[in-house]
Amino acid sequence: DAGVIQSPRHEVTEMGQEVTLRCKPISGHNSLFWYRQTMMRGLELLIYFNNNVPIDDSGMPEDRFSAKMPNASFSTLKIQPSEPRDSAVYFCASSSGQVADTQYFGPGTRLTVL
Amino acid sequence: DAKTTQPTSMDCAEGRAANLPCNHSTISGNEYVYWYRQIHSQGPQYIIHGLKNNETNEMASLIITEDRKSSTLILPHATLRDTAVYYCIVRVNSNYQLIWGAGTKLIIKP
Repeated sequence: DAGVIQSPRHEVTEMGQEVTLRCKPISGHNSLFWYRQTMMRGLELLIYFNNNVPIDDSGMPEDRFSAKMPNASFSTLKIQPSEPRDSAVYFCASSSGQVADTQYFGPGTRLTVL
Repeated sequence: DAKTTQPTSMDCAEGRAANLPCNHSTISGNEYVYWYRQIHSQGPQYIIHGLKNNETNEMASLIITEDRKSSTLILPHATLRDTAVYYCIVRVNSNYQLIWGAGTKLIIKP
């Protein structure tokens, strides 16, 4: 299995621009997570999907952030408009949803907003 | 979920066993102990988890004390590639949340 795939790996954009991050979970996994990691705040859960349905989005910072999962093999995290404080590494993770299951992380997208 | 306490950093010589401690004194009976690591510029990587029995896999061993208030992750023969931040997390098996602390920065020295 190829593992969790994220694209792009690096993104540099200017303040005010729209940014879209993409994730392909491990085939057969029915849970998907988006995380953000910064030096100041560490790893934070942004949103959790189960069977393509958003279950918990309480970690989404504000209305500028949105996430979708149109099917079991694809998810997007969009920031519109982007701000310099959104600069971080964004990780996608997936799990099988079984009892005591583990989350498998992608390589991350390093976002820099100028 | 119970909180965990880990040392900020540790050193270990290459080829020796690396023993990483974790305190979780408020752990509940249905909470598992998970270990992940994050190598620089990579996503977190699952290592091992356990409930109350000791566990071993191809990467590491997990020793949980009888009262479950602490545990130790053991990397039996550390290599330079094991240099990473190691996170100890306790989690209810039905809860998807992983509460990430600061972890232990393990440096393997040649």
